[in-house]
Amino acid sequence: EDQVTQSPEALRLQEGESSSLNCSYTVSGLRGLFWYRQDPGKGPEFLFTLYSAGEEKEKERLKATLTKKESFLHITAPKPEDSATYLCAVRGGANSKLTFGKGITLSVRP
Amino acid sequence: KAGVTQTPRYLIKTRGQQVTLSCSPISGHRSVSWYQQTPGQGLQFLFEYFSETQRNKGNFPGRFSGRQFSNSRSEMNVSTLELGDSALYLCASSLNEGVAKNIQYFGAGTRLSVL
Repeated sequence: EDQVTQSPEALRLQEGESSSLNCSYTVSGLRGLFWYRQDPGKGPEFLFTLYSAGEEKEKERLKATLTKKESFLHITAPKPEDSATYLCAVRGGANSKLTFGKGITLSVRP
Repeated sequence: KAGVTQTPRYLIKTRGQQVTLSCSPISGHRSVSWYQQTPGQGLQFLFEYFSETQRNKGNFPGRFSGRQFSNSRSEMNVSTLELGDSALYLCASSLNEGVAKNIQYFGAGTRLSVL
Protein backbone atom coordinates (compact mmCIF):
# COMPACT_ATOMS: atom_id res chain seq x y z
CA GLU A 1 0.00 0.00 0.00
CA ASP A 2 1.32 3.45 -0.91
CA GLN A 3 2.27 5.65 2.04
CA VAL A 4 3.17 9.33 2.36
CA THR A 5 4.55 11.03 5.49
CA GLN A 6 5.04 14.78 5.67
CA SER A 7 7.13 16.63 8.23
CA PRO A 8 7.00 18.77 10.20
CA GLU A 9 3.23 18.98 10.81
CA ALA A 10 3.48 22.75 11.23
CA LEU A 11 6.15 25.30 10.51
CA ARG A 12 6.34 28.94 11.54
CA LEU A 13 8.79 31.16 9.69
CA GLN A 14 9.72 34.80 9.75
CA GLU A 15 9.32 36.59 6.43
CA GLY A 16 12.50 36.03 4.43
CA GLU A 17 13.55 32.96 6.44
CA SER A 18 14.09 30.12 3.93
CA SER A 19 13.23 26.51 4.83
CA SER A 20 12.27 23.11 3.44
CA LEU A 21 9.22 20.89 3.77
CA ASN A 22 9.76 17.13 3.67
CA CYS A 23 7.67 14.40 2.04
CA SER A 24 8.76 10.79 2.53
CA TYR A 25 7.04 8.10 0.51
CA THR A 26 6.85 4.38 -0.15
CA VAL A 27 5.19 3.35 -3.37
CA SER A 28 5.25 0.44 -5.73
CA GLY A 29 6.42 1.90 -9.00
CA LEU A 30 6.26 5.68 -8.69
CA ARG A 31 4.20 7.20 -11.50
CA GLY A 32 4.34 10.74 -10.15
CA LEU A 33 4.76 12.82 -7.01
CA PHE A 34 2.53 15.86 -6.68
CA TRP A 35 2.66 18.99 -4.55
CA TYR A 36 -0.48 20.99 -3.84
CA ARG A 37 -1.18 24.13 -1.84
CA GLN A 38 -4.42 24.45 0.14
CA ASP A 39 -5.74 27.68 1.62
CA PRO A 40 -8.42 27.64 4.35
CA GLY A 41 -11.88 27.00 2.96
CA LYS A 42 -10.55 26.12 -0.50
CA GLY A 43 -9.64 23.02 -2.44
CA PRO A 44 -6.02 22.00 -3.11
CA GLU A 45 -4.26 24.00 -5.83
CA PHE A 46 -1.79 22.13 -8.04
CA LEU A 47 1.85 23.27 -7.79
CA PHE A 48 4.23 20.65 -9.23
CA THR A 49 4.56 17.13 -10.58
CA LEU A 50 7.84 15.21 -10.39
CA TYR A 51 8.34 11.87 -12.11
CA SER A 52 11.90 10.64 -11.54
CA ALA A 53 14.71 10.93 -8.99
CA GLY A 54 16.88 13.95 -9.59
CA GLU A 55 14.10 15.99 -11.16
CA GLU A 56 13.58 19.57 -9.96
CA LYS A 57 10.90 22.16 -10.69
CA GLU A 58 10.65 25.82 -9.71
CA LYS A 59 7.89 28.37 -9.47
CA GLU A 60 8.53 31.79 -7.96
CA ARG A 61 9.83 31.20 -4.40
CA LEU A 62 9.14 27.44 -4.49
CA LYS A 63 11.41 24.66 -5.68
CA ALA A 64 10.49 20.97 -5.54
CA THR A 65 13.06 18.17 -5.68
CA LEU A 66 12.75 14.39 -5.78
CA THR A 67 14.87 11.43 -4.65
CA LYS A 68 13.96 7.74 -4.61
CA LYS A 69 12.54 8.01 -1.09
CA GLU A 70 11.53 11.61 -0.52
CA SER A 71 10.71 14.98 -1.95
CA PHE A 72 11.48 18.43 -0.63
CA LEU A 73 9.64 21.66 -1.17
CA HIS A 74 12.15 24.46 -0.66
CA ILE A 75 10.76 27.90 0.10
CA THR A 76 13.17 30.76 -0.50
CA ALA A 77 12.60 34.11 1.24
CA PRO A 78 8.95 33.35 2.02
CA LYS A 79 6.30 36.04 2.26
CA PRO A 80 3.13 36.06 4.41
CA GLU A 81 1.08 35.15 1.34
CA ASP A 82 2.93 31.82 1.21
CA SER A 83 1.09 30.82 4.40
CA ALA A 84 -1.01 27.74 3.58
CA THR A 85 -1.11 23.98 4.00
CA TYR A 86 1.18 22.16 1.58
CA LEU A 87 0.12 18.67 0.54
CA CYS A 88 2.24 15.94 -1.02
CA ALA A 89 0.71 13.03 -2.92
CA VAL A 90 1.98 10.02 -4.89
CA ARG A 91 0.59 7.89 -7.67
CA GLY A 92 1.95 4.36 -7.93
CA GLY A 93 1.77 1.44 -10.32
CA ALA A 94 -1.10 1.29 -12.74
CA ASN A 95 -3.38 2.94 -10.23
CA SER A 96 -4.53 6.44 -11.10
CA LYS A 97 -5.60 7.41 -7.58
CA LEU A 98 -3.51 9.79 -5.45
CA THR A 99 -2.35 8.92 -1.94
CA PHE A 100 -1.91 12.07 0.14
CA GLY A 101 0.14 12.95 3.18
CA LYS A 102 -1.56 14.84 5.99
CA GLY A 103 0.00 18.13 4.97
CA ILE A 104 2.30 20.74 6.47
CA THR A 105 0.77 23.98 7.73
CA LEU A 106 3.12 26.85 7.01
CA SER A 107 2.75 30.24 8.72
CA VAL A 108 4.95 33.13 7.62
CA ARG A 109 5.05 36.12 9.98
CA PRO A 110 5.69 39.60 8.55
CA LYS B 1 -11.88 28.37 -18.48
CA ALA B 2 -14.10 27.53 -15.52
CA GLY B 3 -12.64 25.33 -12.82
CA VAL B 4 -14.19 22.38 -11.03
CA THR B 5 -17.54 23.35 -9.55
CA GLN B 6 -18.99 21.62 -6.51
CA THR B 7 -22.47 22.15 -5.14
CA PRO B 8 -23.63 22.81 -2.56
CA ARG B 9 -20.73 24.43 -0.71
CA TYR B 10 -22.20 23.74 2.72
CA LEU B 11 -24.64 21.16 3.95
CA ILE B 12 -26.06 20.28 7.36
CA LYS B 13 -27.77 16.93 7.83
CA THR B 14 -28.82 14.75 10.75
CA ARG B 15 -27.80 11.17 11.47
CA GLY B 16 -29.62 8.60 9.37
CA GLN B 17 -30.36 10.94 6.49
CA GLN B 18 -28.82 10.63 3.06
CA VAL B 19 -27.07 13.28 0.99
CA THR B 20 -26.11 13.84 -2.65
CA LEU B 21 -23.18 16.02 -3.67
CA SER B 22 -22.57 17.28 -7.18
CA CYS B 23 -19.41 17.95 -9.18
CA SER B 24 -19.01 19.59 -12.60
CA PRO B 25 -15.51 18.98 -14.00
CA ILE B 26 -13.38 21.32 -16.06
CA SER B 27 -14.64 21.41 -19.63
CA GLY B 28 -13.04 18.59 -21.60
CA HIS B 29 -12.01 16.58 -18.55
CA ARG B 30 -13.36 13.05 -18.56
CA SER B 31 -12.09 11.68 -15.26
CA VAL B 32 -13.58 12.65 -11.88
CA SER B 33 -12.25 11.56 -8.49
CA TRP B 34 -13.75 12.10 -5.04
CA TYR B 35 -11.88 12.53 -1.75
CA GLN B 36 -12.89 12.94 1.87
CA GLN B 37 -10.81 15.37 3.94
CA THR B 38 -10.86 15.36 7.75
CA PRO B 39 -8.42 16.91 10.25
CA GLY B 40 -7.42 13.51 11.60
CA GLN B 41 -7.10 11.47 8.40
CA GLY B 42 -6.26 14.09 5.80
CA LEU B 43 -7.38 13.46 2.23
CA GLN B 44 -8.62 9.94 1.60
CA PHE B 45 -9.59 8.58 -1.80
CA LEU B 46 -13.23 7.58 -2.25
CA PHE B 47 -13.59 6.62 -5.91
CA GLU B 48 -12.79 7.59 -9.48
CA TYR B 49 -15.00 7.63 -12.54
CA PHE B 50 -14.08 7.70 -16.20
CA SER B 51 -16.55 7.53 -19.07
CA GLU B 52 -19.41 6.77 -16.68
CA THR B 53 -17.57 3.76 -15.22
CA GLN B 54 -16.08 3.44 -11.76
CA ARG B 55 -12.39 2.82 -12.34
CA ASN B 56 -11.11 2.80 -8.76
CA LYS B 57 -12.57 2.57 -5.29
CA GLY B 58 -11.09 3.42 -1.88
CA ASN B 59 -11.67 1.71 1.45
CA PHE B 60 -15.00 3.20 2.40
CA PRO B 61 -18.22 1.39 3.33
CA GLY B 62 -20.93 0.73 0.79
CA ARG B 63 -22.91 3.69 2.15
CA PHE B 64 -20.68 5.81 -0.07
CA SER B 65 -21.52 5.58 -3.74
CA GLY B 66 -21.16 7.65 -6.85
CA ARG B 67 -21.92 7.90 -10.50
CA GLN B 68 -20.88 9.81 -13.57
CA PHE B 69 -23.09 11.07 -16.35
CA SER B 70 -22.43 11.20 -20.09
CA ASN B 71 -21.42 14.88 -19.82
CA SER B 72 -18.74 13.88 -17.24
CA ARG B 73 -20.60 15.52 -14.35
CA SER B 74 -20.52 13.36 -11.26
CA GLU B 75 -22.51 12.88 -8.09
CA MET B 76 -21.69 11.10 -4.88
CA ASN B 77 -24.23 9.84 -2.40
CA VAL B 78 -23.88 8.97 1.25
CA SER B 79 -26.74 7.02 2.80
CA THR B 80 -27.56 6.55 6.49
CA LEU B 81 -25.29 9.39 7.58
CA GLU B 82 -23.13 8.97 10.68
CA LEU B 83 -21.49 11.67 12.81
CA GLY B 84 -18.10 10.54 11.50
CA ASP B 85 -19.12 11.44 7.95
CA SER B 86 -18.71 15.12 8.78
CA ALA B 87 -15.92 16.26 6.48
CA LEU B 88 -14.93 18.31 3.46
CA TYR B 89 -15.73 16.34 0.32
CA LEU B 90 -13.50 17.24 -2.59
CA CYS B 91 -13.95 16.50 -6.25
CA ALA B 92 -11.05 16.54 -8.71
CA SER B 93 -11.12 16.31 -12.48
CA SER B 94 -8.41 15.40 -14.98
CA LEU B 95 -7.90 15.04 -18.72
CA ASN B 96 -6.84 11.42 -18.40
CA GLU B 97 -3.89 11.73 -20.75
CA GLY B 98 -2.39 8.53 -19.44
CA VAL B 99 -1.90 7.51 -15.83
CA ALA B 100 1.39 9.26 -15.13
CA LYS B 101 0.58 12.68 -16.56
CA ASN B 102 -2.93 12.76 -15.16
CA ILE B 103 -2.94 15.97 -13.10
CA GLN B 104 -5.98 16.31 -10.87
CA TYR B 105 -7.52 19.75 -10.39
CA PHE B 106 -9.70 20.22 -7.34
CA GLY B 107 -12.91 22.04 -6.64
CA ALA B 108 -13.51 24.09 -3.49
CA GLY B 109 -15.34 21.20 -1.85
CA THR B 110 -18.62 20.61 -0.05
CA ARG B 111 -18.49 20.98 3.72
CA LEU B 112 -20.85 18.38 5.21
CA SER B 113 -21.83 18.58 8.87
CA VAL B 114 -23.78 15.69 10.37
CA LEU B 115 -25.62 16.48 13.61
